[in-house]
Amino acid sequence: AQSVTQPDIHITVSEGASLELRCNYSYGATPYLFWYVQSPGQGLQLLLKYFSGDTLVQGIKGFEAEFKRSQSSFNLRKPSVHWSDAAEYFCAVGPRGLSGTASKLTFGTGTRLQVTL
Amino acid sequence: NAGVTQTPKFQVLKTGQSMTLQCAQDMNHNSMYWYRQDPGMGLRLIYYSASEGTTDKGEVPNGYNVSRLNKREFSLRLESAAPSQTSVYFCASSDGSGGVYNEQFFGPGTRLTVL
Repeated sequence: AQSVTQPDIHITVSEGASLELRCNYSYGATPYLFWYVQSPGQGLQLLLKYFSGDTLVQGIKGFEAEFKRSQSSFNLRKPSVHWSDAAEYFCAVGPRGLSGTASKLTFGTGTRLQVTL
Repeated sequence: NAGVTQTPKFQVLKTGQSMTLQCAQDMNHNSMYWYRQDPGMGLRLIYYSASEGTTDKGEVPNGYNVSRLNKREFSLRLESAAPSQTSVYFCASSDGSGGVYNEQFFGPGTRLTVL
């Protein structure tokens, strides 16, 4: 069965500091990997996604993530955090989108990021 | 483009009451989903619809029913609400036409409290 583990429930960083959020997955086939962000009281917004090719992918808001197949990891990074990045971050894994099928995603339990000024 | 919309935003029910959560998308997506989000548990899939006319159970379907009214709309019904169904409910949609990425787009959520 597929699963996603985000080992850090809560992380606090200072504004301007670098950030790395961890994500480990278990998936039987070639995984599609996603990072979503959820601001308080809002829905989930896609930050970035990975299927194949370059293992370092760039997303919105200055985020990037690196896929490491040997470690089954897809960690999210940002060189310099802004106060507006305070939110909850979810990693997800799912299948390729096939016509006529739903792309059911499995989500991690999330990491809440707090940014101190 | 409104994307994915959900109504209502907030709802308080008494145990045993019924209600329907509405979801609509204007992206011409084939697939739609209902999730619930509870603290420390991430998002859990309740039901999904791969395409118009089909629905399937997800991880936590008990106590819920769904209707894929047409390609745009996918509703979630609680027939007899229980306190354990207090949660935030999210609707999502994805292309479902065979595109490579097929990421999901989410609505703003409905916060439901069952007393």
